[in-house]
Amino acid sequence: RKEVEQDPGPFNVPEGATVAFNCTYSNSASQSFFWYRQDCRKEPKLLMSVYSSGNEDGRFTAQLNRASQYISLLIRDSKLSDSATYLCVVTANSGGSNYKLTFGKGTLLTVNP
Amino acid sequence: DTEVTQTPKHLVMGMTNKKSLKCEQHMGHRAMYWYKQKAKKPPELMFVYSYEKLSINESVPSRFSPECPNSSLLNLHLHALQPEDSALYLCASSRQVPDPYEQYFGPGTRLTVT
Repeated sequence: RKEVEQDPGPFNVPEGATVAFNCTYSNSASQSFFWYRQDCRKEPKLLMSVYSSGNEDGRFTAQLNRASQYISLLIRDSKLSDSATYLCVVTANSGGSNYKLTFGKGTLLTVNP
Repeated sequence: DTEVTQTPKHLVMGMTNKKSLKCEQHMGHRAMYWYKQKAKKPPELMFVYSYEKLSINESVPSRFSPECPNSSLLNLHLHALQPEDSALYLCASSRQVPDPYEQYFGPGTRLTVT
């Protein structure tokens, strides 16, 4: 099983649609969880941290299920500007006092007019 | 200000050249990272510096040599690279290691090795 696995995509949705991304992780000792977005030929930008209680930021809602080792991102009322690659990122201890981010392969979202 | 800056934006170098990539942050972060990203792939971790000391080297070839002169600066020295090293090189920083806080990425240096 891959360390972090995401929906392969791509997702093509019309403006205004609701779209959900799923991500699973294999290391049960993982400690922190994030969604990043990456525009074409740009750097990854932090979108949201993901907490066990779930968290919402405007049109974006992130959920974490530690028992199932599953993370999700919901985008409501999608905009053209939401078109990007969405990266699921998990942090786990990599030995001693070191932590390492592990990235999923990313899911490409295209929002169409 | 959550800004990480990187220079240069683009770099073309021959296999016998020596060049350096630079990264700077003024957020007071004490952990800094180098990643390599190939097209349509996620970033791959290369090095982690924690409090100016190298804490993780992900078995990176010695033709890549990192340096952390102070808590705000991170360099990556390049020597005798191969064409397959062409990629986007990303620098990132976070509050500290350990503690898996969010990482903030710079815009990257797009490197082409000819």
